[in-house]
Amino acid sequence: QSVLTQPPSVSGAPGQRVTISCTGSSSNIGAPYDVHWYQQVPGTVPKLLIFDNNNRPSGVPDRFSGSKSGTSASLAITGLQAEDEADYYCQSYDSSLSGSIFGGGTKLTVL
Amino acid sequence: QVQLEQSGADVKQPGASVKLSCEASGYTFSNFGISWVRQAPGQGLEWMGWIGIYNGQTKYSHKVQGRVTLTADTSTSTAYMELRSLRSDDTAVYYCARVIPAAIGRFDPWGQGTLVTVSS
Repeated sequence: QSVLTQPPSVSGAPGQRVTISCTGSSSNIGAPYDVHWYQQVPGTVPKLLIFDNNNRPSGVPDRFSGSKSGTSASLAITGLQAEDEADYYCQSYDSSLSGSIFGGGTKLTVL
Repeated sequence: QVQLEQSGADVKQPGASVKLSCEASGYTFSNFGISWVRQAPGQGLEWMGWIGIYNGQTKYSHKVQGRVTLTADTSTSTAYMELRSLRSDDTAVYYCARVIPAAIGRFDPWGQGTLVTVSS
């Protein structure tokens, strides 16, 4: 099991809002190390979606937003579109492991 | 633009070693570290290790430590990952990614990935 815990799956209808949680501990998210989010469409390379908790790289729509509080972080997607259907991963650093860590991933299904 | 170009797919027998390459372009190679991440079929992302190009410092995941070695050649802007004593559960797509900043940061961009199949 992953050090960062994500729900295995979430779903929503087009136009709706969904959130994906990422729960860690005092040695990673709560340390506090930054949380980053990646989107991976099946069969493609992971793509940076949110960095440093709540920043979007150039080109990422503002429908995607991130937040962090204590030992948890969340990714929110508003105005769901069919193209958002993908796997989403959170990532941070863990001081006890002295290395980067990923969540187990969340599969987003657009109904 | 910043790019990471990885070596091609490989098939290895159990017990063998594999050495993958990751050639960087579009930025000053020594200014950033490189991490390696793998993804087994149908599974999530697993961080394997990080190398600081400037000073050669390395960090490895506990799961693969002892079997993996990360190196870099600044003259060719290429990072390498060698994995030894291969097992069937090492079958995965292996990605390299630039890490910003230092060892604790985000991965951007990623290489295209290299499929390594371990099979007899």
